[in-house]
Amino acid sequence: AQSVTQLDSQVPVFEEAPVELRCNYSSSVSVYLFWYVQYPNQGLQLLLKYLSGSTLVESINGFEAEFNKSQTSFHLRKPSVHISDTAEYFCAVSGRQAGTALIFGKGTTLSVSS
Amino acid sequence: DGGITQSPKYLFRKEGQNVTLSCEQNLNHDAMYWYRQDPGQGLRLIYYSQIVNDFQKGDIAEGYSVSREKKESFPLTVTSAQKNPTAFYLCASIGGLKNTEAFFGQGTRLTVV
Repeated sequence: AQSVTQLDSQVPVFEEAPVELRCNYSSSVSVYLFWYVQYPNQGLQLLLKYLSGSTLVESINGFEAEFNKSQTSFHLRKPSVHISDTAEYFCAVSGRQAGTALIFGKGTTLSVSS
Repeated sequence: DGGITQSPKYLFRKEGQNVTLSCEQNLNHDAMYWYRQDPGQGLRLIYYSQIVNDFQKGDIAEGYSVSREKKESFPLTVTSAQKNPTAFYLCASIGGLKNTEAFFGQGTRLTVV
């Protein structure tokens, strides 16, 4: 079985500052890793994912995450945040075997202020 | 437009009543999931289905039931046995590259009155 730990429940930052949202996972098998974003009263949207290949993955809006197998981590980073990045961010993991459930962390609320 | 639709958006239920939440997708995805979201708890898996006429319990299945008679539909029934049903419920289907991406509905907020 897989599990996900998001180390920070809330992260307040000022606009244009860098940010890192931390995620660690536990699994006995190889995994796929994901970050999803949720705006208030909406469903989740995929932000980025690691399936294979390069361990550094990027989203279209400037976020990036790096898969670190030795540290079992998949931290999300952005060098300069905007007010519009304020949302809840979820890290998720699934095993590579077909039929493995997608498991989410408890979420990190990113609050960007001016 | 392809997508996943949950209805209703808001639902009120009296204690002791069963209620069914609808989830429909036209993405031709095989796998569908139900999650429950509570503040500070993230998304917890209730049930998931990889194929028609088959489903598995997630971490918090007690007090819930599902059916998967059609590929497009995965309704969730919240029974009177669920002790704390007030929550935000999210349905998702799985597709995309290597069938790994979850596509979510807009959610149903259930309140017990």
